[in-house]
Amino acid sequence: QLQLQESGPRLVKPSETLSLTCTVSNVRMTTTTYYWGWVRQSPGKGLEWIGSIFHTGKTSYNPSLRSRVTISIDTSESQFSLSLSSVTTADTAVYYCASMMHGLIRTFDIWGQGTMVTVSS
Amino acid sequence: QAALTQPASVSGSPGQSITMSCTGTSSDIGIYEYVSWYQQHPGKAPKLLIYDVTYRPSGASDRFSGSKSGSTASLTISGLQAEDEGDYYCSSYSSSSTVVFGGGTRLTVL
Repeated sequence: QLQLQESGPRLVKPSETLSLTCTVSNVRMTTTTYYWGWVRQSPGKGLEWIGSIFHTGKTSYNPSLRSRVTISIDTSESQFSLSLSSVTTADTAVYYCASMMHGLIRTFDIWGQGTMVTVSS
Repeated sequence: QAALTQPASVSGSPGQSITMSCTGTSSDIGIYEYVSWYQQHPGKAPKLLIYDVTYRPSGASDRFSGSKSGSTASLTISGLQAEDEGDYYCSSYSSSSTVVFGGGTRLTVL
């Protein structure tokens, strides 16, 4: 069964770059069955889509974050990554990676457990 | 890309049915049949309940059902149970290959 696991620093300083990796298990990332995406949730707030990537490297980003976000993929390592630059305290959140079913940017079907990232000096 | 609008809270008693709404625009729910619903318990990752407006993924309870009318989607939970208490989020595909979420609805089982 498909599983996802986030990893990366839990504390990032303001103005620096937040970097997270999602490791995918039990499925080949080159499958056309899934897009791969990132979603975040600020403390006590709702969900926010950050962006998504296909195994070909094709990406789509939330317009409100596009200028600061880069999502990349390494299918040989079964990983995809998130980079968010120039972070502020407003970027403090639980970051989830997830698969998007049917190879389309529509629905997140399998989620990682999430990782809390705090932006603080 | 504005967030979808959900009521902050709904409540119901065990055994009852409740319906919660998710209102979008003519750029998302109004023109696409790609609404999803997620359940989230405290400290846990969201769980998919409904996709493409009315479809349940394998393993999702048939007590959950979805519908849509115009730019408003709805989630109905029948036979309300204590374990249904939690937060519910809708999402929709939006123009230019993007996804937008609602602000979430807190369900309280009385």
